[in-house]
Amino acid sequence: DVQMTQSPSSLSASVSDRVTITCRASQSISSYLNWYQQKPGKAPKLLIYAASSLQSGVPSRFSGSGSGTDFTLTISSLQPEDFVTYYCQQSYSIPLTFGGGTKVEIK
Amino acid sequence: EVQLVESGGGLVQPGGSLRLSCAASGFTLSDYYMDWVRQAPGKGLEWVGRIRKKAQSYTTEYAASVKGRFTISRDDSKNSLYLQMNSLKTEDTALYYCARTRLAAAATGWENWFDPWGQGTLVTVSS
Repeated sequence: DVQMTQSPSSLSASVSDRVTITCRASQSISSYLNWYQQKPGKAPKLLIYAASSLQSGVPSRFSGSGSGTDFTLTISSLQPEDFVTYYCQQSYSIPLTFGGGTKVEIK
Repeated sequence: EVQLVESGGGLVQPGGSLRLSCAASGFTLSDYYMDWVRQAPGKGLEWVGRIRKKAQSYTTEYAASVKGRFTISRDDSKNSLYLQMNSLKTEDTALYYCARTRLAAAATGWENWFDPWGQGTLVTVSS
């Protein structure tokens, strides 16, 4: 199974800060990496697919990069609604696996 | 509007069974693979399983933690997806989401991702 390690598990930041979340795969997964945002009490929402493709309707302050084993989600300027939890997910092989999540908190 | 609505969750004793449903609207279910993902209270996301479409003979895949106990099925004529859960354990307690799988051809295979997700239905396994 491909293990996904997300870091940090939590971070504190301020509105307008630039933040980066990292996801590392236990083996190469090419670009088969997706990012989701989950607000409290809500279902996850797709942000980025195929490592760097922005889902329609998602603000351009979100971006993804990486390939192989190392990936990043960057939020260029945090907005109040962005202080929630983010998950990476590999779609390279079954079983599909998620990172442990990163909770972005207000400093 | 593309929408997925889960139902069928509830309280069940260990060893019991439960069948979850996922009603799809706003798109043609038969065109898509579908997945189930769960989230234990206060925990992260765990993939449960997938069912492919008719062209792939409705083949299924499961996480090791549920294989042999859970069965995914679909009725495209009813725009519905199902998760039959047998021999339930306390560790199966979670919010269960259904999700549509999107596919895109890539150089080395098929990129795939979940979009959208339903709102989830809560399954509690407890005596």
